[in-house]
Amino acid sequence: DQQVKQNSPSLSVQEGRISILNCDYTNSMFDYFLWYKKYPAEGPTFLISISSIKDKNEDGRFTVFLNKSAKHLSLHIVPSQPGDSAVYFCAAGAYGSSNTGKLIFGQGTTLQVKP
Amino acid sequence: DTAVSQTPKYLVTQMGNDKSIKCEQNLGHDTMYWYKQDSKKFLKIMFSYNNKELIINETVPNRFSPKSPDKAHLNLHINSLELGDSAVYFCASSQRKQVLLSTEAFFGQGTRLTVV
Repeated sequence: DQQVKQNSPSLSVQEGRISILNCDYTNSMFDYFLWYKKYPAEGPTFLISISSIKDKNEDGRFTVFLNKSAKHLSLHIVPSQPGDSAVYFCAAGAYGSSNTGKLIFGQGTTLQVKP
Repeated sequence: DTAVSQTPKYLVTQMGNDKSIKCEQNLGHDTMYWYKQDSKKFLKIMFSYNNKELIINETVPNRFSPKSPDKAHLNLHINSLELGDSAVYFCASSQRKQVLLSTEAFFGQGTRLTVV
């Protein structure tokens, strides 16, 4: 039972354009959501996060939008750069009775930004 | 100056062997994790330790045993390795925060385990 899903395995955009990566979740108990970026042969790197009490968080070229009613979040990258080419993972966490910090990950979307 | 480092990066071994993967973090975090990325690329949590205490133990075979000598180290021992154990194993650490703040985990570079 996959609680966090990234239905697009890959995305290709032109340099300078917007990249939009999507993520859906099923568990309404999630309290925060994160995006990670992963290059080949490296570990995932934290990119940006959003708390469930917000609907938008922006950090430079990266913006995450959260639609709780739709259980959907998205990552916007504007403008996209070739160095953004990587696998992007969506993840979610819940505080619950004890904040273990456990993260549930989606299966990732491979972004290719063409020069 | 690596924040979360794990060794080895690559590990090729025969079925039935016992192997260990080491992990160290210098971030001063109180919680460490082991995640497994399988052939379908899903990243799934296996274990978590907080200040040397086991707090998460997902449905993982008993052949996998984490050991945390101190809060900066979390090693993973695997006994009687099987073909299906082949995967990339990631160590991570985080500092648990107050409610309303996300708890982001910092990952090591991964250990690609191949069982032949």
